[in-house]
Amino acid sequence: GAVVSQHPSRVICKSGTSVKIECRSLDFQATTMFWYRQFPKQSLMLMATSNEGSKATYEQGVEKDKFLINHASLTLSTLTVTSAHPEDSSFYICSAREGTGTGVSPLHFGNGTRLTVT
Amino acid sequence: AQKITQTQPGMFVQEKEAVTLDCTYDTSDPSYGLFWYKQPSSGEMIFLIYQGSYDQQNATEGRYSLNFQKARKSANLVISASQLGDSAMYFCAMRDRMDSSYKLIFGSGTRLLVRP
Repeated sequence: GAVVSQHPSRVICKSGTSVKIECRSLDFQATTMFWYRQFPKQSLMLMATSNEGSKATYEQGVEKDKFLINHASLTLSTLTVTSAHPEDSSFYICSAREGTGTGVSPLHFGNGTRLTVT
Repeated sequence: AQKITQTQPGMFVQEKEAVTLDCTYDTSDPSYGLFWYKQPSSGEMIFLIYQGSYDQQNATEGRYSLNFQKARKSANLVISASQLGDSAMYFCAMRDRMDSSYKLIFGSGTRLLVRP
């Protein structure tokens, strides 16, 4: 089956620093990747949609300068949390759609990254 | 705009019993897809089952089945013969097929606890 690898799984950083999270599709080409954020015991909130080779589309209320998304290849998308603050602490999870996927295709999810900003 | 509602924050079920997790949705798009995912405590999202708005029959996948009532806009997940490993968060999600991005919008989730 389609595998999405997300790294790191857990990261602790100091306030003011930047953190990069990688999302890779291992055995398929991901035309589109999605970044979600999940607070404890809450649902997944879509942050942005990224298409290979173009700028990401951010959901309303998500700061694009804060959460930089790059989708430079068909197998890699990165989310950089810039100048992180404690309120950015959360579970970030990426997902990918296969290039040949249709509307009935599920998204394939990474295992998520738990970010803690101290 | 799309909306997914899961009204049960938590559910208990006895091992080997069946349980139904509720999901209602709202969309103006006549063509859409509904998905259920399981999220164990480890955090990964596991795809369980899919139902398309034009599918004539309710979807089934092993112990999972979907009670799809289109007129009522509900897509409840039925888990039969519950196992201890079924304890997890369960999310209902929807995709409008007219949305070319193929993004999924998730409900608030239901935490299921299977009792031995």
